[in-house]
Amino acid sequence: GAVVSQHPSWVICKSGTSVKIECRSLDFQATTMFWYRQFPKQSLMLMATSNEGSKATYEQGVEKDKFLINHASLTLSTLTVTSAHPEDSSFYICSASLLRGFSPLHFGNGTRLTVT
Amino acid sequence: ELKVEQNPLFLSMQEGKNYTIYCNYSTTSDRLYWYRQDPGKSLESLFVLLSNGAVKQEGRLMASLDTKARLSTLHITAAVHDLSATYFCAVDMNTNAGKSTFGDGTTLTVKP
Repeated sequence: GAVVSQHPSWVICKSGTSVKIECRSLDFQATTMFWYRQFPKQSLMLMATSNEGSKATYEQGVEKDKFLINHASLTLSTLTVTSAHPEDSSFYICSASLLRGFSPLHFGNGTRLTVT
Repeated sequence: ELKVEQNPLFLSMQEGKNYTIYCNYSTTSDRLYWYRQDPGKSLESLFVLLSNGAVKQEGRLMASLDTKARLSTLHITAAVHDLSATYFCAVDMNTNAGKSTFGDGTTLTVKP
């Protein structure tokens, strides 16, 4: 149980275009999902907390107009990287928790974004 | 601000040897997690530690939590090559459960 599906697994796009990444909880409802970014050989950096039915909460230094998060249902959150640039190239990972604070995060498989 | 520090960051060990990875955190919390990440892959949950003195074991890995010392350890017994991966500890603040802060990770390489 507790499967989180993330799509696509990898994407290559040109500078200036937008990319949408989907994160779905397949067998449970997730009122809260988290979006992380990971650079090579580094730790995970929390970008934002996605809340179903309300606005996402962004971490300091993360541009909310550039990284648009929508959590329209209890099983789907999306991250859209708008007007992507090469410096946005990274590994993006979503996660969700079954019981807030009392169970581990279940991670999607991640999306490797390369902006050319 | 919650800070989570792991050490060592890199660990190379021979098969069959034992070693411990340490995770220190800066503020009160009683929720600590250990994850494993293989190269190019996402994270997989290993252990959930929810109380002082908690000890969990799975195969050659054993994790413990000392909330008074704000310290968790991940002990590796008789390492095998398949354990080569990056291990992260993560901590939730009591006031913001579910929002984990991750350590920098320990990259373990087990050599034959």
